[in-house]
Amino acid sequence: AQSVTQPDIHITVSEGASLELRCNYSYGATPYLFWYVQSPGQGLQLLLKYFSGDTLVQGIKGFEAEFKRSQSSFNLRKPSVHWSDAAEYFCAVGAGSSASKIIFGSGTRLSIRP
Amino acid sequence: GAVVSQHPSWVICKSGTSVKIECRSLDFQATTMFWYRQFPKQSLMLMATSNEGSKATYEQGVEKDKFLINHASLTLSTLTVTSAHPEDSSFYICSARTGTNVLTFGAGSRLTVL
Repeated sequence: AQSVTQPDIHITVSEGASLELRCNYSYGATPYLFWYVQSPGQGLQLLLKYFSGDTLVQGIKGFEAEFKRSQSSFNLRKPSVHWSDAAEYFCAVGAGSSASKIIFGSGTRLSIRP
Repeated sequence: GAVVSQHPSWVICKSGTSVKIECRSLDFQATTMFWYRQFPKQSLMLMATSNEGSKATYEQGVEKDKFLINHASLTLSTLTVTSAHPEDSSFYICSARTGTNVLTFGAGSRLTVL
């Protein structure tokens, strides 16, 4: 069965520091992979997605993610975080035919240290 | 861009009453919408897939008589929590497909059952 693991529940980084959020997936075929961000009490916003092609994917707000098939990983990175990046981040995999269902990881809460 | 609107964003009800949450696609048609439930500090769990003009498809373990879903038009899906109890208190989020394997999420509806 498809699954997504985000091993870090909570991460705190200093403003201006680099960030990497980890995501590992389990899927039999080439996965559709996503990163979403959720601010408190809000819905989810898509940061970026990977379907095929270039394994380094650029997203909004300066985020990027790299698909590594050998490691079954899709880690999210940002070279310099801003206080406004504090939020909950969810990695997700598209499951079923044409990724008709989205399965979410447990999320990583990002806090920014002034 | 495509917008998914949820209403109400926040609702309190007494135990035993029913509550309806609306999910609307603005400026686009959504033949399929998805309903998720999110407990505090946890991930999103897919409850059901709502299909316009047909019965919803519920995930395993979700009571279809408890969570009634109606998708009567191409722009509106509703989730009715029947005979609500305190354990039904949660954050409910809907989404609609707005591109190839891409979902746009509503801002969510927080239900509190007293």
